[in-house]
Amino acid sequence: EAGVTQFPSHSVIEKGQTVTLRCDPISGHDNLYWYRRVMGKEIKFLLHFVKESKQDESGMPNNRFLAERTGGTYSTLKVQPAELEDSGVYFCASSQVGQANEKLFFGSGTQLSVL
Amino acid sequence: GDSVTQMEGPVTLSEEAFLTINCTYTATGYPSLFWYVQYPGEGLQLLLKATKADDKGSNKGFEATYRKETTSFHLEKGSVQVSDSAVYFCALSEPNFGNEKLTFGTGTRLTIIP
Repeated sequence: EAGVTQFPSHSVIEKGQTVTLRCDPISGHDNLYWYRRVMGKEIKFLLHFVKESKQDESGMPNNRFLAERTGGTYSTLKVQPAELEDSGVYFCASSQVGQANEKLFFGSGTQLSVL
Repeated sequence: GDSVTQMEGPVTLSEEAFLTINCTYTATGYPSLFWYVQYPGEGLQLLLKATKADDKGSNKGFEATYRKETTSFHLEKGSVQVSDSAVYFCALSEPNFGNEKLTFGTGTRLTIIP
């Protein structure tokens, strides 16, 4: 069974440009989470989808970030325009609804560098 | 709000040494506690967990005990191996009706030297 897939694995862009990160969850997983680790600090929650609906987006840092999950399958996270402080590793995770966190599966992350 | 404080890294040990990575937490409720590990080039993996006070989580020779009185969940292993080299994250989540988002610490990079 395929795991959680994220791409690109690395992205280097200039300040002011737009970047779109993609996450493909495990098939059948309706829960999808985005997390971010900035500059070696703690990993922070960004948002949570249940199918195509945003269950909790309290961690989204500002309106330059837009997450979508059309059709309840894969999700995209767009940063527009990117700023230097957006650099970090963006993780996606998925699980089945009703499963506790021990059934949460993470992708290997997208390393975003904004220059 | 909730927070997790873990030992600053990096930590470098010789093979077969004893490992402790400290983790303390602040939570408003009664959280579940976790240790996640990230091996090079891979995603986060759950290493072990504990859901109530005095529970001991264990896996792959690692152990951690949920200490409510000291709000701690320290990770230990009696004899580390080179393959244990990774970044370790302590985390908690509070029961929230299906939205059990995780609060992580800053991570501790562990390097084991042969």
